[in-house]
Amino acid sequence: GENVEQHPSTLSVQEGDSAVIKCTYSDSASNYFPWYKQELGKRPQLIIDIRSNVGEKKDQRIAVTLNKTAKHFSLHITETQPEDSAVYFCAVRRTGGGADGLTFGKGTHLIIQP
Amino acid sequence: DAGVIQSPRHEVTEMGQEVTLRCKPISGHDYLFWYRQTMMRGLELLIYFNNNVPIDDSGMPEDRFSAKMPNASFSTLKIQPSEPRDSAVYFCASSARDRGSYEQYFGPGTRLTVT
Repeated sequence: GENVEQHPSTLSVQEGDSAVIKCTYSDSASNYFPWYKQELGKRPQLIIDIRSNVGEKKDQRIAVTLNKTAKHFSLHITETQPEDSAVYFCAVRRTGGGADGLTFGKGTHLIIQP
Repeated sequence: DAGVIQSPRHEVTEMGQEVTLRCKPISGHDYLFWYRQTMMRGLELLIYFNNNVPIDDSGMPEDRFSAKMPNASFSTLKIQPSEPRDSAVYFCASSARDRGSYEQYFGPGTRLTVT
């Protein structure tokens, strides 16, 4: 099955600096790559996603890049703010027959230092 | 729309008891997913339905777990008998694939504690 590796597990940055979280996946046929943000005790919420026919997507301070050849994608957060502190999960949509579920990375705890 | 609704929000039960978790997807969504989240294993897909039909249950840990979707607005996940290692947060999510979107909307989750 699909294997998703996410790094780092914890990331501490100064407020205003940028943060980058990286994920690699194993199935070259995967075609959808979302990023979820989860605050303590809350549900995961989609913050940005990208499909395999696009190399980069940006939404204000958040961007995602995809390298299909290398099978990795990254989340970039610029001008970080205290409210960005949370756990971020990358995910990959499975492919093949009956494969619509998401396989998640183990998560990155992002800490924004004031 | 109220979003995905799950009940109960918290459940504490003793080992060996039956537990039933409930989910109401967003109206009009044709996919429903059950996930489990633990510190050790992260977020794992248990099973998902398309138009009320189970499509992939390969993530269901063992026969003690079962899931049903009797209609488009209701699904249950049952654990019988429950064990302490089943303690986790169980999320239900839904999506509207017929609208060309892969986005999954998560419910608030049910925190299950088995003592």
